[in-house]
Amino acid sequence: AQKVTQAQTEISVVEKEDVTLDCVYETRDTTYYLFWYKQPPSGELVFLIRRNSFDEQNEISGRYSWNFQKSTSSFNFTITASQVVDSAVYFCALSYGQNFVFGPGTRLSVLP
Amino acid sequence: DTGVSQDPRHKITKRGQNVTFRCDPISEHNRLYWYRQTLGQGPEFLTYFQNEAQLEKSRLLSDRFSAERPKGSFSTLEIQRTEQGDSAMYLCASKVTATNEKLFFGSGTQLSVL
Repeated sequence: AQKVTQAQTEISVVEKEDVTLDCVYETRDTTYYLFWYKQPPSGELVFLIRRNSFDEQNEISGRYSWNFQKSTSSFNFTITASQVVDSAVYFCALSYGQNFVFGPGTRLSVLP
Repeated sequence: DTGVSQDPRHKITKRGQNVTFRCDPISEHNRLYWYRQTLGQGPEFLTYFQNEAQLEKSRLLSDRFSAERPKGSFSTLEIQRTEQGDSAMYLCASKVTATNEKLFFGSGTQLSVL
């Protein structure tokens, strides 16, 4: 069965600190996709990144970077120089075929 | 605005009443999903449609829940005889048919059953 674990329930950092959100997944499929979504207080989940199981290259987008390691079934997300606007709940998700399974989320609070 | 829209944003009802939520997906998206999210949890899959066909239902979707997408455009989710345990955020999402493409989410309907 597919499963996504986000062990960090809540994280608090002070603005400008770097923070890493962990994601560990389980699947027996050889082809799958991993996603990160951000859910601000408004409630709408906002897509951040998609990565397929065959591409283990790390990706950087501005202050965001993602580290995908198949050997440890992890897809971690790092925010560099965090800002107050980064405060939100972040979800890691696994796509298998046409369906998705989400982790429980990590609530990030960035304090000024 | 061409995003996913959901109505209403908030619904308060008494136990035992029926409620219906509506979702309007992005117009070119054939796939439409319903998820339920409770406090401190990630979205849990309920059901999804390919056009007007309901292709998969979670065991979370008891017989009090019914979803429709009659013309392959908007969708409704009805909960009959609501229970306090139904209190949650109900999220709608849509996507194109291609496998593993990202979901686009609406802002959700927050249901409170008193």
